[in-house]
Amino acid sequence: DAGVIQSPRHEVTEMGQEVTLRCKPISGHDYLFWYRQTMMRGLELLIYFNNNVPIDDSGMPEDRFSAKMPNASFSTLKIQPSEPRDSAVYFCASRISGSSYNEQFFGPGTRLTVL
Amino acid sequence: AQSVTQPDIHITVSEGASLELRCNYSYGATPYLFWYVQSPGQGLQLLLKYFSGDTLVQGIKGFEAEFKRSQSSFNLRKPSVHWSDAAEYFCAVLSGSARQLTFGSGTQLTVLP
Repeated sequence: DAGVIQSPRHEVTEMGQEVTLRCKPISGHDYLFWYRQTMMRGLELLIYFNNNVPIDDSGMPEDRFSAKMPNASFSTLKIQPSEPRDSAVYFCASRISGSSYNEQFFGPGTRLTVL
Repeated sequence: AQSVTQPDIHITVSEGASLELRCNYSYGATPYLFWYVQSPGQGLQLLLKYFSGDTLVQGIKGFEAEFKRSQSSFNLRKPSVHWSDAAEYFCAVLSGSARQLTFGSGTQLTVLP
């Protein structure tokens, strides 16, 4: 398996622009998580999906952030409009339910810089 | 609420020396605990995990961790550190209905030659 795939790996944009981050979970995994990593706040959970349905988005910082999962193999995290304080590394992770290990597998992350 | 504390922000050790990274958790029941490592510019890689049973768990790259319920700790150890171990290490606990991860703030490890 290729693991969790994220694109792009790096994104540089200007304030006010729309940014879309993409994630392809491991095939067969039914949970998908979006995390954000910053120096100030560390790793924090933004939102997670189960069977393509958003379950908890309480970690989404504000309405400028939205996430979708149109099918089991694809998810997006969108920021519109972007702001410099959104600069961070965004990780996607997936796991399969029914396993005693509940291990999450992480993608390589997308490093976002908003100028 | 479940939480994880990593009291050491930054640790420096010499290559070949032993290593112990501290992790304390707050959880009502038996926790599911993890250690992840993040190399510069990379994603998170699972080093080891504890769910139940033997309190000393072995992981990849020669790491081990010991679960101590009485101390609410899950410290990571390695008997002899290699320069390639320089990275940031995160302790995490499973929490919530979806078993999402709650991470500690991380410990940055520097290895001196």
